[in-house]
Amino acid sequence: NAGVMQNPRHLVRRRGQEARLRCSPMKGHSHVYWYRQLPEEGLKFMVYLQKENIIDESGMPKERFSAEFPKEGPSILRIQQVVRGDSAAYFCASSPLPPGSGNTIYFGEGSWLTVV
Amino acid sequence: AQSVTQLGSHVSVSEGALVLLRCNYSSSVPPYLFWYVQYPNQGLQLLLKYTTGATLVKGINGFEAEFKKSETSFHLTKPSAHMSDAAEYFCAVRVTQGGSEKLVFGKGMKLTVNP
Repeated sequence: NAGVMQNPRHLVRRRGQEARLRCSPMKGHSHVYWYRQLPEEGLKFMVYLQKENIIDESGMPKERFSAEFPKEGPSILRIQQVVRGDSAAYFCASSPLPPGSGNTIYFGEGSWLTVV
Repeated sequence: AQSVTQLGSHVSVSEGALVLLRCNYSSSVPPYLFWYVQYPNQGLQLLLKYTTGATLVKGINGFEAEFKKSETSFHLTKPSAHMSDAAEYFCAVRVTQGGSEKLVFGKGMKLTVNP
């Protein structure tokens, strides 16, 4: 039973390029979350998605960032025109049940983005 | 707003010594609380969680935490530290609003275990 799979694990982008981070949730999980971890900080919530729906994007920067979770395929976190401040670890998490059910949220290994 | 506070950023203990990592929460509703561990360059692994019921929660790797409502605390302990416990530990509270849910994390605590 594979865990939450993220790729790439490490990504280097030049300023102004686009970064695409992919996340395949655990089998049977239809709830996906993205978090960002900046150096020396804890994880910050970015977005919560269910299949084909963005439920809560209150933690997403207003510009350049977008996320999707299509009916088929992985969830994608897309960062356009990256800047040095986007350098961080991006973690995906998934859960099998809707909010409020007390279930566990499982995290992936993370994607480390470095902007040069 | 619900939040957790982990005071300090580093803790150092000797191998075999007690591990105590502090977490205080702020919540207007009964909280769901979590401890996660992160090893270098890896993702977060759930150590334990408190939802309802027994206030002393046992987790993996010999860790446990006690929910104390009167002190708004959820401190993580382990009686005897092992070298393999060296990692970063995060306390988190679940926030549920409308149809959304998220974890709000503390800033983390790096645990160093000295031989």
